[in-house]
Amino acid sequence: AQSVTQPDIHITVSEGASLELRCNYSYGATPYLFWYVQSPGQGLQLLLKYFSGDTLVQGIKGFEAEFKRSQSSFNLRKPSVHWSDAAEYFCAVGASGYNKLIFGAGTRLAVHP
Amino acid sequence: NAGVTQTPKFQVLKTGQSMTLQCAQDMNHNSMYWYRQDPGMGLRLIYYSASEGTTDKGEVPNGYNVSRLNKREFSLRLESAAPSQTSVYFCASSEVGGNTGELFFGEGSRLTVL
Repeated sequence: AQSVTQPDIHITVSEGASLELRCNYSYGATPYLFWYVQSPGQGLQLLLKYFSGDTLVQGIKGFEAEFKRSQSSFNLRKPSVHWSDAAEYFCAVGASGYNKLIFGAGTRLAVHP
Repeated sequence: NAGVTQTPKFQVLKTGQSMTLQCAQDMNHNSMYWYRQDPGMGLRLIYYSASEGTTDKGEVPNGYNVSRLNKREFSLRLESAAPSQTSVYFCASSEVGGNTGELFFGEGSRLTVL
């Protein structure tokens, strides 16, 4: 069965610092991978997705993620964090033939000025 | 462009009461979903509808029923609410299958069962 693990529940960074949020997945074949962001009191918004091809994926708001098959990981990165990036981030995996996504538990990001 | 609209945004129920959460999308999407969000557990799929006229169970369907009323609307019903159903509920839609397409989410419905 598919599963997603986000090892970090909370992360705090200073504004301007770099950021990496971890995501590990479990799935036998090549998965479809997503990162979503949830601002307080809002629904989720897609940041980026990976299906195939180039393993470094660019998304909105300056985010990128790298698919590493050998590590079953899809970590999210940003070179310089802004205060407006404070939110909860969810990694998700979709599988061929299944019309649904499986979400990780989320990582809550706090940004210090 | 409203996107995905959920009602109500907040609801308090007593144990055993019933209620229906309404969801409508104006993007002509084929697939619609109901998720619940609980602290430390992320989003868990309750039910989904791949197309008008079809519904399927997700990870946590017990205690819920759904109706895909038409292409736009997908409702979630709690027949006899329990405190374990206290959660934030999200409706989402996608143009293509949810495993490959972008999900568009509503703003959520916060339900408290006393």
